Amino acid sequence: AQSVAQPEDQVNVAEGNPLTVKCTYSVSGNPYLFWYVQYPNRGLQFLLKYITGDNLVKGSYGFEAEFNKSQTSFHLKKPSALVSDSALYFCAVRDMTGGGNKLTFGTGTQLKVEL
Amino acid sequence: DAMVIQNPRYQVTQFGKPVTLSCSQTLNHNVMYWYQQKSSQAPKLLFHYYDKDFNNEADTPDNFQSRRPNTSFCFLDIRSPGLGDAAMYLCATSSLKDRGNQPQHFGDGTRLSIL
Repeated sequence: AQSVAQPEDQVNVAEGNPLTVKCTYSVSGNPYLFWYVQYPNRGLQFLLKYITGDNLVKGSYGFEAEFNKSQTSFHLKKPSALVSDSALYFCAVRDMTGGGNKLTFGTGTQLKVEL
Repeated sequence: DAMVIQNPRYQVTQFGKPVTLSCSQTLNHNVMYWYQQKSSQAPKLLFHYYDKDFNNEADTPDNFQSRRPNTSFCFLDIRSPGLGDAAMYLCATSSLKDRGNQPQHFGDGTRLSIL
């Protein structure tokens, strides 16, 4: 079965500092990985995806993610955090069962960026 | 802008009183999903439609039903809401172009409260 793990419930970072939100995956076959962000009382917004190709994926709002096959990781990064980046972040993997375009989500990481 | 719209944003119902949540999309996507999300947890997939083909998750209670009368609209019916059904309900869509590697697009959700 496909799964992703987000080992940190919360990450705190100072504005202007780099941020990393961690995600590891466990899949059979090639992984299709996604990052989403959720602001309070809003739906999930797509940030970026890895399907194939370059290991460094660039996405929305200055975010990027590094796919590392040997470490089975797909960590989300941003060089300089903003207070407005404070939100709940979900890593997800495409679930291929049932003909699917279903996603299996991680448990989420709350990012708090402080002045 | 093309989007996924959920109405209402907030819904209050009484214990045991049937309630219907609605979702519409202008993306012309052939797949529509309903998720349940409780207090900053990961979204939990209830069911999804591939065109008119309904796919129920194995652990979705019978109390939850869905209808998709056409491509643009999808409804979630809760026949007899219990206190445990209080949650955010998220609708999402996706396209199966590009072999299904497209992200899901989410609405802003309906927050359901049970009195």
